[in-house]
Amino acid sequence: AQTVTQSQPEMSVQEAETVTLSCTYDTSESDYYLFWYKQPPSRQMILVIRQEAYKQQNATENRFSVNFQKAAKSFSLKISDSQLGDAAMYFCGWAQGGSEKLVFGKGTKLTVNP
Amino acid sequence: DVKVTQSSRYLVKRTGEKVFLECVQDMDHENMFWYRQDPGLGLRLIYFSYDVKMKEKGDIPEGYSVSREKKERFSLILESASTNQTSMYLCASSLYQGIAKNIQYFGAGTRLSVL
Repeated sequence: AQTVTQSQPEMSVQEAETVTLSCTYDTSESDYYLFWYKQPPSRQMILVIRQEAYKQQNATENRFSVNFQKAAKSFSLKISDSQLGDAAMYFCGWAQGGSEKLVFGKGTKLTVNP
Repeated sequence: DVKVTQSSRYLVKRTGEKVFLECVQDMDHENMFWYRQDPGLGLRLIYFSYDVKMKEKGDIPEGYSVSREKKERFSLILESASTNQTSMYLCASSLYQGIAKNIQYFGAGTRLSVL
């Protein structure tokens, strides 16, 4: 079975600084997608960023970027210029191409200190 | 914007009760999902549906059933609630195909307490 591992249950960062959240996954598939979702306190979970495995270029969305290392099966999320509103649970997810199901990691709770 | 609405934010039920959790999406998505979220365990898939009246078991289906009579509505049913089903339940939906494939949109969650 595919697994997604987030090794940092909690992280903290100072406002305006940069933080990197780690994610590794285990798969023998060649066609898959990777995701980072954000779940703010008491609010809906939303997609932060998505990466297709066949693309070598790392995805970016404003202050959010990923470091996708396919051979190492690593997919880390970098948040630049951290803001108080970035405080949330972050979940890494994996989906096989052609499948509708996502496999999630256990999450990393990010605290942003003013 | 996609909207996924879960009928209750908080529910308190008694052991043995039959519990219905309702989810409605307004974007004509083919796929709908029910997850359970527990601290330290992340999100675990209970059931998902890829079409009306179609369903597939996820990783933890025991003690749960689902119903999808209309495309926009997906119900999670706890036939006889037990205390170990106290949890946060999240509903999600996604398009079947296209560039948005696999991107799931989530509801706000229902926090269920079974006493």
